[in-house]
Formats: sequence, C-alpha cells, structure tokens
Amino acid sequence: SAVISQKPSRDICQRGTSLTIQCQVDSQVTMMFWYRQQPGQSLTLIATANQGSEATYESGFVIDKFPISRPNLTFSTLTVSNMSPEDSSIYLCSVRYDGANVLTFGAGSRLTVL
Amino acid sequence: QQPVQSPQAVILREGEDAVINCSSSKALYSVHWYRQKHGEAPVFLMILLKGGEQKGHEKISASFNEKKQQSSLYLTASQLSYSGTYFCGTEIQGGSEKLVFGKGMKLTVNP
Repeated sequence: SAVISQKPSRDICQRGTSLTIQCQVDSQVTMMFWYRQQPGQSLTLIATANQGSEATYESGFVIDKFPISRPNLTFSTLTVSNMSPEDSSIYLCSVRYDGANVLTFGAGSRLTVL
Repeated sequence: QQPVQSPQAVILREGEDAVINCSSSKALYSVHWYRQKHGEAPVFLMILLKGGEQKGHEKISASFNEKKQQSSLYLTASQLSYSGTYFCGTEIQGGSEKLVFGKGMKLTVNP
C-alpha cells in the first residue's frame, strides 16, 4: 500500500509567522493534492500540485498565502504564510498513484496558531 | 459544487443497518467513499465509476445513480469499528481528477 510521510505531524506557531509542511511519497506520482480540514469540518481542496507546472489553486486560496513547491515526482511542500488563528487546521497531502483512481492521504499536519 | 450528504449524523446499536446518501448538482465521473476516525487520516472504502457496477465487500456496499447524480453507501449489520465520519468525494466529468468532498456523516455505533 501507499506510504505518504508528512512533516511536521503537529506544530504550534505564533501569529504572523510561516510554516512549511513537507510531503514525501514512496513512489513517483503525477497528481498530488493539498487539503485543509478545519476542526470538525470537511476536507477542502487547497490546490493541485503537478510536477513541472505551477500549482492550480481552488477558489478562496491564493499562492501568496499558500505557496506550493513540487520539485520532483515524490516530494512537495506547502507553506502557510503570515499565519493567523484562522489558519489553525489539519493540512493533508494526498496523491493519486499513476493509473489508479484512489486518493491516498498522508497522516496530516495539525497546525495551531496562537 | 460540494456534494450534499445526508443524514449528518446517525447513532446505531451494533448489528443495525445504515444508509448514507450523497448527491451532486454536477454530472459526475466518479464517487469515492472514505471513512475517517478521530485523529486519523481518511481511509478509502470504495469507488464508483460512471458506467460501472455497484461495488461492495462484506457488509459495506454502494450504488451510483448516474441519472440523478446520487450515490448511497450501505452499512449492513454495523460493527463497533464502523464508527467514524463518512465522506463522499465526487469527481465531475471533464474535471482535473480532483475530488470535492461533502460535509460528512458522523456514525456512532454503540454496543
């Protein structure tokens, strides 16, 4: 089965700072997605990150706030910039293995902003 | 574009059945079902593709009505381990393979 590692698993940050979340996948994948899950809420897609192209952001999410890098087919980062308490959420990396329909999630990064 | 799930929450006794519904206003290519336990990542349960057959394994099955853009997840003879939040994720036709998730249905199974 798929192995997706996210770091950090949790962090507590101060308002106004930035945090970068890393996502490492055990094999090469084309499609990677970043989701946000606010407490008790659903999974909201932030952006699609494909290697070799700019990330595609969903309505309500902008690159200045959530810059994404995708340097190769097994790795991606999501940065949450200039954080406020409203950014306190779980951020999840997910992938679709090439040729598969299933979306596999990492364990998530729980972010608390004070 | 977010699919609508119903009901929002259900409490069952072990051995009882449950049905979770998911509907979309868009023409769908696929519907995915996931279960998430508290503090854990969502786990894939099954996928239904446009033109595909009804899926199922053991006591969990699902259907997809393409004409109505609706899917249902059927939990039969529920077990304590079925407790969690169930999300449907929909992929629209001609979409970019991304999934949009409903708000979820919280299931509690009691002894």
